[in-house]
Amino acid sequence: DQQVKQNSPSLSVQEGRISILNCDYTNSMFDYFLWYKKYPAEGPTFLISISSIKDKNEDGRFTVFLNKSAKHLSLHIVPSQPGDSAVYFCAASKGQYGGSQGNLIFGKGTKLSVKP
Amino acid sequence: DAGVTQSPTHLIKTRGQQVTLRCSPKSGHDTVSWYQQALGQGPQFIFQYYEEEERQRGNFPDRFSGHQFPNYSSELNVNALLLGDSALYLCASSRLYEQYFGPGTRLTVT
Repeated sequence: DQQVKQNSPSLSVQEGRISILNCDYTNSMFDYFLWYKKYPAEGPTFLISISSIKDKNEDGRFTVFLNKSAKHLSLHIVPSQPGDSAVYFCAASKGQYGGSQGNLIFGKGTKLSVKP
Repeated sequence: DAGVTQSPTHLIKTRGQQVTLRCSPKSGHDTVSWYQQALGQGPQFIFQYYEEEERQRGNFPDRFSGHQFPNYSSELNVNALLLGDSALYLCASSRLYEQYFGPGTRLTVT
C-alpha cells in the first residue's frame, strides 16, 4: 500500500512558466515532508522541506504548499528553467526522532521536462 | 566540503554471492540511512544507523545487514544475493534536519 503517491509520472512545461508537481499521502502521522530532485546517474538532491505545523515554505524559485486536511502537498517552481528538467520525488517522514530523521517514505517520482 | 560518497559506483555479482557497499557521510553528519531504489520506483528505506547502532529498520529481510564505524562511515552487506536485489543502493547522511544522498551504487545480480 503506497503511503506517498505522485500520480503524474511526467509533466512538460514551457521555459519561464510555472511548474506544479503534486503529491498525496495517506498516513496522518507524517509530520515532515521533503522534495528531492534527481538527475540520471546521480543521487537525489534535497530541494525544500516543510513541517506539518506550516502550510507554506519558500526558497527562491521553489515553494512548497501543504494542505493537511486534504493530505496533499505541491511544489511550485517559478519561473521554470531547462536545468530544472529532472525527476522530482516527494518524501514524507514520521518524526520519531524529530524532523526528517525518521525514515523517509518516497513517492514514485514525476519526470519534469522544461522546454526552451 | 565533500558530500556523501559511496563506493563502488557499479558492481556485478552472481546470485548467491555476498556484497558489501560503503558510504562516507557528509562532514558533520552522524546519522546514516540506506535506501534501495528499483527501476521506476522511489527509494525504499532499508535501515538507519546512529551512534554505531541500528536505530530503525524498514521491511527488508535479515540478509540485509549493516554497520557504522566510529568515524560515522557505514557499510551495507547483503548475503545470498537474489536477482531481485539488483537496484541502485543509496546512502543518505544527516545530523539534525534533511537527509543528503550520495550518488549511489548500482548493483547488478546475474
